Amino acid sequence: GAGVSQSPSNKVTEKGKDVELRCDPISGHTALYWYRQRLGQGLEFLIYFQGNSAPDKSGLPSDRFSAERTGESVSTLTIQRTQQEDSAVYLCASSLEAELEQFFGPGTRLTVL
Amino acid sequence: QKEVEQNSGPLSVPEGAIASLNCTYSDRGSQSFFWYRQYSGKSPELIMSIYSNGDKEDGRFTAQLNKASQYVSLLIRDSQPSDSATYLCAVNGMDSSYKLIFGSGTRLLVRP
Repeated sequence: GAGVSQSPSNKVTEKGKDVELRCDPISGHTALYWYRQRLGQGLEFLIYFQGNSAPDKSGLPSDRFSAERTGESVSTLTIQRTQQEDSAVYLCASSLEAELEQFFGPGTRLTVL
Repeated sequence: QKEVEQNSGPLSVPEGAIASLNCTYSDRGSQSFFWYRQYSGKSPELIMSIYSNGDKEDGRFTAQLNKASQYVSLLIRDSQPSDSATYLCAVNGMDSSYKLIFGSGTRLLVRP
């Protein structure tokens, strides 16, 4: 079956612009996660959605970052007024339920000039 | 102290050898442990999950968990050049069990 999909695969933007990243989880997966991976570093947790429960936003680095999820489907991560430090690969993952194995999408490489 | 620690490597092994990758974690309450493989420029791919002390085998891969020592390892038998990648250890947090804490990864090079 189809895996996690993300769009766009690459995004180049100018400092100060807003960007929106999209994630389509595996069908039937109730849990969805966003991570950030800076060059040469490990993955940094950003936000977690589980069904209709309140999301865990504890990993969002600043109030410029926000995310939404519609039910158990698509999620969007929005970064407002982008900064050069936001340049990274943004990875989305989903799992059948919380605490189970997470499967990653291909990521969106964001470059802020 | 980092929550999940891995030697950054590179770990270089000849083709056909056993590659041993190690990971230690600080949260004694962690219950779920995962190994991911990440090729350069690609996203992480799940290789193994392990939840109980002992060994778990899947093909050429064996995950080993010792909760008392807070140690998890991945053995790759008959290493192939295609196994050359960065291997990420991930551990769930006790207070937020759905949240994975990742190590920085160990880069493995398998020499032909």
